[in-house]
Amino acid sequence: KAGVTQTPRYLIKTRGQQVTLSCSPISGHRSVSWYQQTPGQGLQFLFEYFSETQRNKGNFPGRFSGRQFSNSRSEMNVSTLELGDSALYLCASSFALTGQGEQYFGPGTRLTVT
Amino acid sequence: AQKITQTQPGMFVQEKEAVTLDCTYDTSDQSYGLFWYKQPSSGEMIFLIYQGSYDEQNATEGRYSLNFQKARKSANLVISASQLGDSAMYFCAMREFPTSGTYKYIFGTGTRLKVLA
Repeated sequence: KAGVTQTPRYLIKTRGQQVTLSCSPISGHRSVSWYQQTPGQGLQFLFEYFSETQRNKGNFPGRFSGRQFSNSRSEMNVSTLELGDSALYLCASSFALTGQGEQYFGPGTRLTVT
Repeated sequence: AQKITQTQPGMFVQEKEAVTLDCTYDTSDQSYGLFWYKQPSSGEMIFLIYQGSYDEQNATEGRYSLNFQKARKSANLVISASQLGDSAMYFCAMREFPTSGTYKYIFGTGTRLKVLA
């Protein structure tokens, strides 16, 4: 069974640009969550999608948005990039929204904003 | 407020010995889940073990066990027979089960474990 895949793995953008990251969950998983990981702030929850609907959102500005498609694949978009957006962006999938089990993480996309 | 605390930024353990990584949490909810993840230098988060707040027995997964003390709000990870491949960052995390539809899934700051040969 294929794991969670994220594309691209590495990305370099300049301030003011926008970026779209993609995440394909494990087959059969309907929940996709996004996290930002930085040395200073650690791991922070961005949002979760389930059945194409955003079910919960962390404390991030509106520049961060996402969506989920009918095949459960998810995209995350960051507009008007800032230097502080440089981070490892992790995507995780799980079978259920209220899953009492684990989330499976992808390898992440490392975004560098210059 | 929901919070996860990992007080050990770094730890060393000799190969084949056991090690305990500390995690304390704070929540006002009765229903929640506690998780431990491992993050090697490659960056990928690997699920290790889960404990539900209503589980009466401590969770175990192979060499990993979770020492759950609900009254003390602690969920320490115990790794038995440490291996060199266990060297990584370890994160404790908590998730409340949604009731109103909003919840948070939060992580601690992590503990970097180094296994010595």
